[in-house]
This record gives sequence, C-alpha cells and structure tokens, in this order.
Amino acid sequence: EAGVAQSPRYKIIEKRQSVAFWCNPISGHATLYWYQQILGQGPKLLIQFQNNGVVDDSQLPKDRFSAERLKGVDSTLKIQPAKLEDSAVYLCASSFMNTEAFFGQGTRLTVV
Amino acid sequence: GESVGLHLPTLSVQEGDNSIINCAYSNSASDYFIWYKQESGKGPQFIIDIRSNMDKRQGQRVTVLLNKTVKHLSLQIAATQPGDSAVYFCAERFTGGFKTIFGAGTRLFVKA
Repeated sequence: EAGVAQSPRYKIIEKRQSVAFWCNPISGHATLYWYQQILGQGPKLLIQFQNNGVVDDSQLPKDRFSAERLKGVDSTLKIQPAKLEDSAVYLCASSFMNTEAFFGQGTRLTVV
Repeated sequence: GESVGLHLPTLSVQEGDNSIINCAYSNSASDYFIWYKQESGKGPQFIIDIRSNMDKRQGQRVTVLLNKTVKHLSLQIAATQPGDSAVYFCAERFTGGFKTIFGAGTRLFVKA
C-alpha cells in the first residue's frame, strides 16, 4: 500500500516570499491533517479535513496560512508571506475513520 | 538528516535492556491513545495504540499501559535494540473530533 506522499522534501525561501506544499494521502482515507513540527517539539496540528471540509483549523495562522483539499483527495498548504518563525517541518497525515494517522516524510522549510 | 528532538527529555539504555517511556496526557475526555516513533528526517511512524476501555495492550516487543486515573500513558520496549533509537511521541484523541494531539516527546538512545 502506498503511503502518504509529500512534496517538495526541502524548501528554502526568503522571508516575505510565498511557498506551497502538496500532499497526497493514502487512498480511501477521508481524514487529512497538516501538522507543523518545529525542531525539538512535537507536531502541532494546523488544520484537519474530513473529505473536503475543514473540521478544525483553530491553530492555523489564517492571516498567512491557507489550505485546501479539492475533491477530498490531494491537499495543498500555502504560506504567504513567510516569516522566519515558520521554519519547521510540515507534516501531512491521513487516517481512515477513527484509527491511527499515517504520516508522510514531511517538507522541511527554511525561511532566511 | 535533521535531528529531531534536540532539546527533548532523553532516555539512555543499554542494548538488550527494557525501556520505559512515560507520557502524561492532558484531556480527560480523550479515549484513544497512540505511540509514534520518529527517526531523524522522517515522519512519525505508528507503533501501538490503546483505547480508553483498556489498561494494557501488547504488541511485538512493545506494551502500552494506560492509567486513566492519573492520565498517564507508558510505552515499554523489551530487549531494546539500536534500531529503537528515535524520538517517541504519545498522542491522544477524543472521538468527537478525531483530532490527534501530540505530547512533547522523549528521545531514546540505545547504547551498544
């Protein structure tokens, strides 16, 4: 079974630039998550989708972050404009019903 | 690759010994708990889970114990191997929203 796919693996941008990350979840998984993991910390949930609807985005900095999940499959997470403190690994995960979430390898973002 | 968990609590064990990693969870309404292993440069990987109607669950070389009275979770790894070296996160979820919240993590070092 194919896992959660994310791209790119690494991205370096200057502050105030924009960036987008892509995620393809495991086939059949209705729930998709985006997490931010700052070095030395556990993953922090940014947004959770159930199919193409947002279930929870309470910790998403909506002034600069946006996410969408068109057609309830792939998802993109965008940051515009980026700040230095956005440097982190962005993890996408998916799950089937009320079971464990499976994670992709993440995108490491460095903002300089 | 990037090292995850540079400032996390650490546990150092001798190869072949048993390891016990502890976690305190926050939400008394959480009814599903998961342990994840995260190696450097990778996303979290599912190890074992337990639901709140159980207090113990065993897998291959791993056992999870749940004490709901004090909101405590532990992961026991038998005969720890060098390949077990990683950062371990506990995560909690309450069924109402399928929202998975991660703890701070513990870094496990296995000495050969």
